[in-house]
Amino acid sequence: DSGVTQTPKHLITATGQRVTLRCSPRSGDLSVYWYQQSLDQGLQFLIQYYNGEERAKGNILERFSAQQFPDLHSELNLSSLELGDSALYFCASTATGVGGYTFGSGTRLTVV
Amino acid sequence: AQSVTQLGSHVSVSEGALVLLRCNYSSSVPPYLFWYVQYPNQGLQLLLKYTTGATLVKGINGFEAEFKKSETSFHLTKPSAHMSDAAEYFCAVTLRGTSYGKLTFGQGTILTVHP
Repeated sequence: DSGVTQTPKHLITATGQRVTLRCSPRSGDLSVYWYQQSLDQGLQFLIQYYNGEERAKGNILERFSAQQFPDLHSELNLSSLELGDSALYFCASTATGVGGYTFGSGTRLTVV
Repeated sequence: AQSVTQLGSHVSVSEGALVLLRCNYSSSVPPYLFWYVQYPNQGLQLLLKYTTGATLVKGINGFEAEFKKSETSFHLTKPSAHMSDAAEYFCAVTLRGTSYGKLTFGQGTILTVHP
């Protein structure tokens, strides 16, 4: 157990639907990152939050959004889902960045 | 801006042989460098990291990597491969001086270990 908890582990949904992925960071870590892993794109950075505020954006589609709550857990919302959104979505957290980033076990999203 | 290139998407070695996974980076400022391992159907686990100080860093499971600034490289090695080392390995970089900065990953190298 890495200390970063992601739920659900698997999600199967239809095109056009909306889903929410949840991440609880390691205790004490203020910074949360979301990554998408797919066969063709590899590991792509989506978005980062630090202590409730958006810190950086990467290759995140407009159909996707995220937030970090006062208890530091984060949610990634994916809407108007397309087949191409099928991927593994990882959450990572860190206290300082220098010490390394701890990853959760991921949510595997399948859009059918 | 930063980027990472991993040379060889697939590397195959025999059990007991040397493992060498190559990573080159591009960074506008001195980087922090990481190697992660991903076993099938699992998340990413930190193998080792370079931040400051000694350029040869040792990690878990007998792996080590050397930061070579002149070559902009951070290759991962292990003297003797074990069957349990079969996995996908990712090199990653973040910029020094940007606390909490995002990680940029290479495309990954799948390591296969033959008996």
